[in-house]
Amino acid sequence: DTGVSQNPRHKITKRGQNVTFRCDPISEHNRLYWYRQTLGQGPEFLTYFQNEAQLEKSRLLSDRFSAERPKGSFSTLEIQRTEQGDSAMYLCASSLTGIDYEQYFGPGTRLTVT
Amino acid sequence: AQSVTQLGSHVSVSEGALVLLRCNYSSSVPPYLFWYVQYPNQGLQLLLKYTTGATLVKGINGFEAEFKKSETSFHLTKPSAHMSDAAEYFCAVSARGNQGGKLIFGQGTELSVKP
Repeated sequence: DTGVSQNPRHKITKRGQNVTFRCDPISEHNRLYWYRQTLGQGPEFLTYFQNEAQLEKSRLLSDRFSAERPKGSFSTLEIQRTEQGDSAMYLCASSLTGIDYEQYFGPGTRLTVT
Repeated sequence: AQSVTQLGSHVSVSEGALVLLRCNYSSSVPPYLFWYVQYPNQGLQLLLKYTTGATLVKGINGFEAEFKKSETSFHLTKPSAHMSDAAEYFCAVSARGNQGGKLIFGQGTELSVKP
C-alpha cells in the first residue's frame, strides 16, 4: 500500500484560471476527505465522500469549488475562476468507516494564485 | 458546534526537556480526539488518538496524551525532547457515531527544540 497520493504537488496559476487537483486514496478506504490549510493555520474541512456519494460540504466550499469521486475511487477537486484567496495547501485524506474514522493524509497540493 | 483551542502558537524547549502541548476542546458530547504532526511541506501524520477506554494514550515517537473529561483537555506530552521533534502539531476532534468523520483542527503549535 503506497498511502494517499495527490497530484500535482505544486500548482501556480493566474487569477481567473481553473485548476483541478487529484487525490488517490488508500485502495480499500471508502471515505475520502478534502481539507484546505492556509499558512499558519490548521486544516479546515471542505467536503467528504463515502464511496461515490458526497455526504457533506462545508460552507467554505463556495460555488466555484466542486468535488467528485466517480466510481468511489480517486477524487478530483476543481476550483473555477481562481482568486488570490484560494492560495493554500489542499489536503486529501482517506479512511475506512469504523469506530473512530482514523484518517490518513496525503502530502497535499500547494496552490499559488498570482 | 465543536471547536478546538491550542494554547500557544509556538513552544520552544531544550533538547532533553519535557514537551507539553496544550489542547482544549468544546463539545456537547466527548468527541474522538487526535494529535497529528506535520513536517514542512508534508501532510499530516497521526501521533495518537483517544476513542474510548483508558484515558492515557500512548502514541508514536514517545508521545502520550491524557483525556481529562472534567477539564475538556487532551494535552500532549513527551518526557524528553529530541531535535527531530521540531514540527507543527495539531490537535483535532471528530464527532462520535455515523455523523462523525470530519476533523475539526486547532490552529496548531509549532515546536522548536534547541540543542
